Amino acid sequence: GAVVSQHPSWVICKSGTSVKIECRSLDFQATTMFWYRQFPKQSLMLMATSNEGSKATYEQGVEKDKFLINHASLTLSTLTVTSAHPEDSSFYICSASVDETNQFGPGTRLLVL
Amino acid sequence: GESVGLHLPTLSVQEGDNSIINCAYSNSASDYFIWYKQESGKGPQFIIDIRSNMDKRQGQRVTVLLNKTVKHLSLQIAATQPGDSAVYFCAENIGGGSYKLIFGSGTRLLVRP
Repeated sequence: GAVVSQHPSWVICKSGTSVKIECRSLDFQATTMFWYRQFPKQSLMLMATSNEGSKATYEQGVEKDKFLINHASLTLSTLTVTSAHPEDSSFYICSASVDETNQFGPGTRLLVL
Repeated sequence: GESVGLHLPTLSVQEGDNSIINCAYSNSASDYFIWYKQESGKGPQFIIDIRSNMDKRQGQRVTVLLNKTVKHLSLQIAATQPGDSAVYFCAENIGGGSYKLIFGSGTRLLVRP
């Protein structure tokens, strides 16, 4: 079946540094991927739609200059949290569209100290 | 708009009993709905879906009911097992060729042995 992976599974960084999270579709091609953020005991909130070969579409209230998304190939989308701060600590989850469904990755836990 | 819960409601059931988890969705234009199961520290796992032209769909031990009149979705789990303990989210898709999903606030299911 369609599998989506994320790397790293968890990351700890210092405040002010940038962190890159990768989302890969392992056995299928995905022209569209999505990035979600999930705070503890809360739901998944859609951050942006990542489109292969074009600019990402961000949801209202999400800073595009802080959360840089690059979808340079049909199997890889990256989310870079720039100048991370403790309030950016969260669980970041990607999904990829395949066969009219969404396959979710396992998530990346980010802790900013 | 998006619904976010600050505190997940909890449903506690005895092993072997049936569980019913409810969800109110926000957009009357949504035409596709999915239930996901999320275990701690993991990404969402697909359970069952339903399109807006249906009001009921059954899977293995699970049934989804859709009431478009009141924008309500429910997930019924038959003979609930300890492995069913998790957080359950409904998600809606507004269609139009996009696979973007908006998640509901979620319900934590606890199964008592």
